[in-house]
Amino acid sequence: DAGVIQSPRHEVTEMGQEVTLRCKPISGHNSLFWYRQTMMRGLELLIYFNNNVPIDDSGMPEDRFSAKMPNASFSTLKIQPSEPRDSAVYFCASRQGQGIRTEAFFGQGTRLTVV
Amino acid sequence: DQQVKQNSPSLSVQEGRISILNCDYTNSMFDYFLWYKKYPAEGPTFLISISSIKDKNEDGRFTVFLNKSAKHLSLHIVPSQPGDSAVYFCAASGGGADGLTFGKGTHLIIQP
Repeated sequence: DAGVIQSPRHEVTEMGQEVTLRCKPISGHNSLFWYRQTMMRGLELLIYFNNNVPIDDSGMPEDRFSAKMPNASFSTLKIQPSEPRDSAVYFCASRQGQGIRTEAFFGQGTRLTVV
Repeated sequence: DQQVKQNSPSLSVQEGRISILNCDYTNSMFDYFLWYKKYPAEGPTFLISISSIKDKNEDGRFTVFLNKSAKHLSLHIVPSQPGDSAVYFCAASGGGADGLTFGKGTHLIIQP
């Protein structure tokens, strides 16, 4: 398996523009997580899905952020409009099993820069 | 309020010696703990985990110790190798929350 695949790897956009980050989880995994990494706050959980259903989005910072998982093999994280403080590395992770104590596998991340 | 804390931002250890990375947590509902390793420009990769019903788990050079009464866990790497130089994240889950809560990481540097 190719692992968790995220695209793009790097994104540079102007303030006010819409940004869409994409994630393909590992086949057969039914939990998907979106994390954001910054120097100040470390790795923060933004939202996670079980069986394509959003379970906890309490980490989503503002209404400008939204996430969808239309099917088991694809998820998006959208920021609209983007702001410079959204600059960070965004990671997607997937895990097999729901509520089971197993590890999550991470993608390589998308480095977002908003200028 | 940080529920998982790694108080040492960096740690330097000589090659061949033991590396000890520490992690403290505040949420008593956490019952599963993990360590991840991260190289620059890559995503975190899973290293080792421990359930709260155990106090030690060993995998090759890596051992994780859990002290529930102190809400403390540690990762021991013996012997340390140059390839171990990376950022190590402690993570926890439990209390009905499936998402992992991460510490801010410790940058381990193995000196030749």
